[in-house]
Amino acid sequence: DAGVIQSPRHEVTEMGQEVTLRCKPISGHDYLFWYRQTMMRGLELLIYFNNNVPIDDSGMPEDRFSAKMPNASFSTLKIQPSEPRDSAVYFCASSTGQSRNRVKLFFGSGTQLSVL
Amino acid sequence: QKEVEQNSGPLSVPEGAIASLNCTYSDRGSQSFFWYRQYSGKSPELIMFIYSNGDKEDGRFTAQLNKASQYVSLLIRDSQPSDSATYLCAVNKGTSGSRLTFGEGTQLTVNP
Repeated sequence: DAGVIQSPRHEVTEMGQEVTLRCKPISGHDYLFWYRQTMMRGLELLIYFNNNVPIDDSGMPEDRFSAKMPNASFSTLKIQPSEPRDSAVYFCASSTGQSRNRVKLFFGSGTQLSVL
Repeated sequence: QKEVEQNSGPLSVPEGAIASLNCTYSDRGSQSFFWYRQYSGKSPELIMFIYSNGDKEDGRFTAQLNKASQYVSLLIRDSQPSDSATYLCAVNKGTSGSRLTFGEGTQLTVNP
C-alpha cells in the first residue's frame, strides 16, 4: 500500500490567496483526520471524518478553513483567504477499525505551507 | 493545565543507555495511550500503544502506564543514534470519539 498521500508537499502563497491541500487516505480506511503542526502549538486536530462524514470540526480555527471529503479516497482542506499565521505543516492521517484501533493513525508526509 | 504534557527536553543520552520519556495527562477518563516518533522533517509514526496499567514491551521499547498517577512513560533500552527524534505522547479519552490529543513532544538525541 502506498500509504496516505498528500499534495502538494510544499506550498508558498501570498496572504489573501486561496490554498487547497489534498489527501488520499489508505485504501479501506474509514477515518480521515486533518492535523496542523507548529512549533508554538504542536500537533492539533482540525477535523476528522468517518465514512466521508465530518464528525468533529471543533478544531477548525475559523471560518476561513473548510474541509470536504466527497468520497472515500479523497479529501481537501481549504483556506480562504490565507494569512501568515496559517503557516504550518498540515498532516492528513487515516485509520480503521473499531474502538481503540480507530485512533491508531497513519500519517501522510505533510504539506509545508508558507503564507507570505 | 494542558491536556497532555511532556518534558520538552531536549534529552541527550549516550549510545547504549536507557532513554526515559515521560508524559502526564489531565483527564482521568482517558483510555488509550500512544507514543509516536517523529524524525526531523518527517511525519509522526506510531511505535507503541498501551491501554492497561502496567508495562508493555516491544523489542527495545517499553511503554508504562499508571492511571492512578495519570502518567505514561516510554523507555528505550540500548539507545541507538537512529533513535534520535522527537517523541510524541498522545491520549484518547474514549468518550471524545476518535479525537487524539498530542503532547508537544520530547526531543531525544542519542550520542555515539
